[in-house]
Amino acid sequence: AQKVTQAQTEISVVEKEDVTLDCVYETRDTTYYLFWYKQPPSGELVFLIRRNSFDEQNEISGRYSWNFQKSTSSFNFTITASQVVDSAVYFCALSETQGGSEKLVFGKGTKLTVNP
Amino acid sequence: GAGVSQSPSNKVTEKGKDVELRCDPISGHTALYWYRQSLGQGLEFLIYFQGNSAPDKSGLPSDRFSAERTGGSVSTLTIQRTQQEDSAVYLCASSLIFGTQYFGPGTRLLVL
Repeated sequence: AQKVTQAQTEISVVEKEDVTLDCVYETRDTTYYLFWYKQPPSGELVFLIRRNSFDEQNEISGRYSWNFQKSTSSFNFTITASQVVDSAVYFCALSETQGGSEKLVFGKGTKLTVNP
Repeated sequence: GAGVSQSPSNKVTEKGKDVELRCDPISGHTALYWYRQSLGQGLEFLIYFQGNSAPDKSGLPSDRFSAERTGGSVSTLTIQRTQQEDSAVYLCASSLIFGTQYFGPGTRLLVL
C-alpha cells in the first residue's frame, strides 16, 4: 500500500534561516507522481510542485527547492531564507497512475512556524 | 480563471440530520475528487469522478456517504444521518486527466 511519511510534525525557525521539510514515501508502482502542497492559516491547499517518478532532477523555484531521490524514496523540500509568510502546514503527497484513480495519499503534514 | 469553489463555507448541523456539500470544479477539468481533513485522520481521499467512468468510491467511510456529479461538472457530497465523527473539513479538487489537482477552500462541517 502507498504511504507518505513526514516525520517532522512541527518546525520552528527564525526568519532568514534555511529549513528542510522531509518526505519519505512507499509505493510498489513504478510510475507515480509526488507533490507538495502548502496550507496557510486561511485553510486552502495551495499547489507547489508536482514531480514525475522518472524525473529525478532537482528543481528550484525562487527560494524553494526540491530534492527527489528515488534510491531513498525521498522528496525533500527546502525553503531558503525563510520568511514569516512561509508559516503554514506543508503536505507531501503521492499518486499512482495505474489502477484508474488519481487519488492522492497525503502525509500528516509539517507545521512550519517562521518567527520574526 | 476561476478556481474550484465550494459551498457552503461552513455548516453546523445536528446529529442525525442530512447535509449536502457542493463543489464547482475548474471549467474544463474532467476529474473531480472529494477529500476529508480531520484532526485525527489527516487528509483522506473519499471519492473520485472521471468523465463518464464509474466513480471510485473506495474512500467513502460508510454507506451514509454518497456523491454524485451531474453533467460532468458540479458535484454534491451527501452525508445522511450525520454523526459527530463526521465533523471535518471537506475538500474538493479538480484536475485534467492525469493532471495536478487544484483544491477548493473547503466546507467546514460541525455536527453537534
